Amino acid sequence: DQQVKQNSPSLSVQEGRISILNCDYTNSMFDYFLWYKKYPAEGPTFLISISSIKDKNEDGRFTVFLNKSAKHLSLHIVPSQPGDSAVYFCAASAGGYGQNFVFGPGTRLSVLP
Amino acid sequence: GAVVSQHPSRVICKSGTSVKIECRSLDFQATTMFWYRQFPKKSLMLMATSNEGSKATYEQGVEKDKFLINHASLTLSTLTVTSAHPEDSSFYICSTKGGGGGDTQYFGPGTRLTVL
Repeated sequence: DQQVKQNSPSLSVQEGRISILNCDYTNSMFDYFLWYKKYPAEGPTFLISISSIKDKNEDGRFTVFLNKSAKHLSLHIVPSQPGDSAVYFCAASAGGYGQNFVFGPGTRLSVLP
Repeated sequence: GAVVSQHPSRVICKSGTSVKIECRSLDFQATTMFWYRQFPKKSLMLMATSNEGSKATYEQGVEKDKFLINHASLTLSTLTVTSAHPEDSSFYICSTKGGGGGDTQYFGPGTRLTVL
């Protein structure tokens, strides 16, 4: 069974608006979470991370929110730009960074001009 | 979604030895599998695309004689790191393409290789 789920395979957003990508997990031992961005024919590129001791981490236009009780995290991109169009993967690990990661299946974001 | 396993999850070996990593698609026939390597800044570098029944396609800069890939069946791809050196120490992860031609990928749990 998938321990990390991204239930929306795709999302379309207008340029300038907010993009919200969601991720749910089932393993309560996960304590470190990452978001990756992937362009075609490339490997996923690290975007932003969050430790379970926090509920929010912000880096420029990207903010990740973590709701431990709901086992849910989300990535907010504000404002969305056409260059943000890519596939986004969330990943989780137990025991902090350095342990093996479990990836979700990805969500394709299309930002429309 | 598909379930992908990797074996072993961790391996420690001596310099000069070869290490084989298995990637299995447990409930999905994967004609295509991808092999990635994680670098210190956490991004994953695509090493090669493994196609069932044919030779793998390696990305530029990846030594095909050092990283041997065999995709012998629809459920199994193997990556062999030959004559491993400490600089090969990394986190190796495989994934399969989802069905239906979409962007979904199902990742294995990864293998952490440490070369002493």
